[in-house]
Amino acid sequence: LAKTTQPISMDSYEGQEVNITCSHNNIATNDYITWYQQFPSQGPRFIIQGYKTKVTNEVASLFIPADRKSSTLSLPRVSLSDTAVYYCLVGAYSARQLTFGSGTQLTVLP
Amino acid sequence: DGGITQSPKYLFRKEGQNVTLSCEQNLNHDAMYWYRQDPGQGLRLIYYSQIVNDFQKGDIAEGYSVSREKKESFPLTVTSAQKNPTAFYLCASSTGSDPGVYEQYFGPGTRLTVT
Repeated sequence: LAKTTQPISMDSYEGQEVNITCSHNNIATNDYITWYQQFPSQGPRFIIQGYKTKVTNEVASLFIPADRKSSTLSLPRVSLSDTAVYYCLVGAYSARQLTFGSGTQLTVLP
Repeated sequence: DGGITQSPKYLFRKEGQNVTLSCEQNLNHDAMYWYRQDPGQGLRLIYYSQIVNDFQKGDIAEGYSVSREKKESFPLTVTSAQKNPTAFYLCASSTGSDPGVYEQYFGPGTRLTVT
């Protein structure tokens, strides 16, 4: 079971790039890495998913080193509306093995 | 619009009563999930279903029951046996039955308060 470790909280200022790192030392060969965003009193929303190297979409980038024991979610030029909890998930084929930890509370300051 | 609906948004019950939370999706997804979220915590898996008429327990299934008679619907019943039912309940669905591979789409949630 791949356990993930993320910082509990981070602060940033508007316009800055934010990098949130997730540690997953016992990631399995078949596991994907997925990040979700959650606003208060709402369901999480998918941000990005990757398996190795770098993945980029219109809202974020995901960097995964060769050993895949960690991953970094990069949010370019954050705004106040990016204040949310960000969850790193690692897993593949079993719902019981895919766990949402406590996530990282990102607070963007003006 | 395609999506997942949960109703009601807020629900209040007296201790000892069973209560059923609704979850409907029109995304034609095979897999559906129920999670529970307590204040300041992550999501914990209650039950999941990969196909109609089949479902499996998650990490915290005790005191809960589900059914999956239709592809679109996955209701959750919180029974009186659940010791601490007050929480935020989230329903999700995904295209495939491999939740680590396929994106999960979440509903808006139901906040249940039991007194």
